[in-house]
Amino acid sequence: GAVVSQHPSRVICKSGTSVKIECRSLDFQATTMFWYRQFPKQSLMLMATSNEGSKATYEQGVEKDKFLINHASLTLSTLTVTSAHPEDSSFYICSASTVVRNTEAFFGQGTRLTVV
Amino acid sequence: AQSVTQLGSHVSVSEGALVLLRCNYSSSVPPYLFWYVQYPNQGLQLLLKYTTGATLVKGINGFEAEFKKSETSFHLTKPSAHMSDAAEYFCAVSRDSSYKLIFGSGTRLLVRP
Repeated sequence: GAVVSQHPSRVICKSGTSVKIECRSLDFQATTMFWYRQFPKQSLMLMATSNEGSKATYEQGVEKDKFLINHASLTLSTLTVTSAHPEDSSFYICSASTVVRNTEAFFGQGTRLTVV
Repeated sequence: AQSVTQLGSHVSVSEGALVLLRCNYSSSVPPYLFWYVQYPNQGLQLLLKYTTGATLVKGINGFEAEFKKSETSFHLTKPSAHMSDAAEYFCAVSRDSSYKLIFGSGTRLLVRP
C-alpha cells in the first residue's frame, strides 16, 4: 500500500514554543490531507482538512491561529502548534488521500507531542 | 450529521474464540464504512471498508464485517482470535469518498491465552 510518513514520531517541547509536524506522502500525490488529534484512550477527532494550494478547513472548535496547517505541495502538509501549552499534549495523526487512489486514505504513524 | 457508536470500550476473548466488535452508525446519506486497527503509539491501519456492493466485506488478518442497513450496523468479526489481534479497533464513517472520517470511540480488544 501507499506510504505516508509523519515526522517526528515523538517530540517534547517547552511551554510557549512552537512545534512543526510534517506529513509526507512518499509514493503518491495527496490532493487532500487530514489532521486528527487523539487524546489518551480516546478516539480520533478531526481537526482540519487541507487541500494542496488552498487554505485549510478547520472543524468547529479548533483554533486555526494555534494550529497552523500548510499544504504547500502535493506530497507535504505541515501542522504547526504555536505557543504550545501542556493541554496541547496529544497524539497527532495525519492521513492523505488522492483522487487517483480515491478508495482509501493512508495514515501516518502519528506524532506524540508532550509539552512541559 | 453523522455519528458512530461502538458498544464496549473493552472486549476480552480467549485465544481461538470468536471476536465480535460492535459498531452502529447514523447517517443521512448512504455511508462509507470502515474498520481500522491501531497498535500502541502507531497510526491506523485499514482492516476493511464498505462503499457499495456486497454487504459482507472481507478484510485483512481474517476479519470481516457485514453492512446491515436495516440495523444501521457494521459489526466486525473474526472466527478465531489470535494473540496478535490485541489492539484498539476503530469504526469510522464517511459521507462520501473524500475520506473525511468520523470515528467511533474505539474498542480495545484483549486476547487471553
